[in-house]
Amino acid sequence: GAGVSQSPSNKVTEKGKDVELRCDPISGHTALYWYRQSLGQGLEFLIYFQGNSAPDKSGLPSDRFSAERTGGSVSTLTIQRTQQEDSAVYLCASSLDRLAGAIAKNIQYFGAGTRLSVL
Amino acid sequence: SQKIEQNSEALNIQEGKTATLTCNYTNYSPAYLQWYRQDPGRGPVFLLLIRENEKEKRKERLKVTFDTTLKQSLFHITASQPADSATYLCALPPGGGADGLTFGKGTHLIIQP
Repeated sequence: GAGVSQSPSNKVTEKGKDVELRCDPISGHTALYWYRQSLGQGLEFLIYFQGNSAPDKSGLPSDRFSAERTGGSVSTLTIQRTQQEDSAVYLCASSLDRLAGAIAKNIQYFGAGTRLSVL
Repeated sequence: SQKIEQNSEALNIQEGKTATLTCNYTNYSPAYLQWYRQDPGRGPVFLLLIRENEKEKRKERLKVTFDTTLKQSLFHITASQPADSATYLCALPPGGGADGLTFGKGTHLIIQP
């Protein structure tokens, strides 16, 4: 596709349920990022994937959060046993290879996000 | 850890005037700084990147300055239009062990006709 695609655009779930959020990055972008944006707050970095390499999970807010990236392309962010404080917009971004060293390749292209509401 | 401060209060500007937004940062010496625009219900969109050795960068009606001594970037929109109304985010590159961009909370700009 032309841009980063995220699905669903909105998700309403009950407390304690698991949810899966999907991100389809721009074709050819090897780097993929997940962020969380809570009401009135800035974007909070969650996790970063570079190609097929194992991600650094230290930014994930709790062990209920996990993410994977299959085949170096599509990524899913899973939240288990959702809590009300998980309600936020989850944004995915992709970029060209950050490790390549060219500053311009750190420009990130964002999807429209998934708005998660935990009741 | 690196920290970014933006005036998160709404900034009201009369159409046609120049809007100036401020981004201050601490505990970091970034090689570059980025500005993004975010509209309601949308993800941020990249606008400009300025390197540490560049004092000023321009793109159409946009101008960004970067003062590494003051640890400050200014973002200017000249001849502002109502369509420029949005939230503008300042972002620092990965550093300090983190991998993702560090974003400020953003400044909500309102251009009044």
